[in-house]
Amino acid sequence: GAGVSQTPSNKVTEKGKYVELRCDPISGHTALYWYRQSLGQGPEFLIYFQGTGAADDSGLPNDRFFAVRPEGSVSTLKIQRTERGDSAVYLCASSSGLAGLTDTQYFGPGTRLTVL
Amino acid sequence: SQKIEQNSEALNIQEGKTATLTCNYTNYSPAYLQWYRQDPGRGPVFLLLIRENEKEKRKERLKVTFDTTLKQSLFHITASQPADSATYLCALSNSGYALNFGKGTSLLVTP
Repeated sequence: GAGVSQTPSNKVTEKGKYVELRCDPISGHTALYWYRQSLGQGPEFLIYFQGTGAADDSGLPNDRFFAVRPEGSVSTLKIQRTERGDSAVYLCASSSGLAGLTDTQYFGPGTRLTVL
Repeated sequence: SQKIEQNSEALNIQEGKTATLTCNYTNYSPAYLQWYRQDPGRGPVFLLLIRENEKEKRKERLKVTFDTTLKQSLFHITASQPADSATYLCALSNSGYALNFGKGTSLLVTP
């Protein structure tokens, strides 16, 4: 079946603008995660959804970042007043929610965000 | 502070040899540890999970060890092939679902 998809694959924006990044998880997966990966670094956790609710948003760096998952499937990561430091690859992952803490996370290809 | 350290320098080995990658961590008490593979321009792909009560786990040409006393995991690829060239990431979690990743080690297998 289809894996996790993310759109757009690339996004270039200007400092101060608002952006939305979309994630389509694997069908039926109840858990969804957002990570951010800067060049030469490993992915950094941002937020985790179980169903429609954010179960853990401790990784969001500040209140310019917000994510929603209104119907428990597609999720949107929203970044307000973008800064050059927000430039990174934003990765989405989903998991079945059936194996608890050892659920395998399946990652999408990421959205490369560049803030000029 | 919590740290996950992986060899920062790229590992270059000859085809057919065994590649060994190291993951060390501090100030974590993980119940399990995971290894992922990441190719350029792609998201990480899950390879193996090892629990704290398991010393070793194998999957085809892959072997992972987990020493909670040393706070270290070793990841081995036996009979390495050029197609194994990628970045390998170690990930763990104290509790909860969020994974904390190391920076990854780049592996290059030459024919």
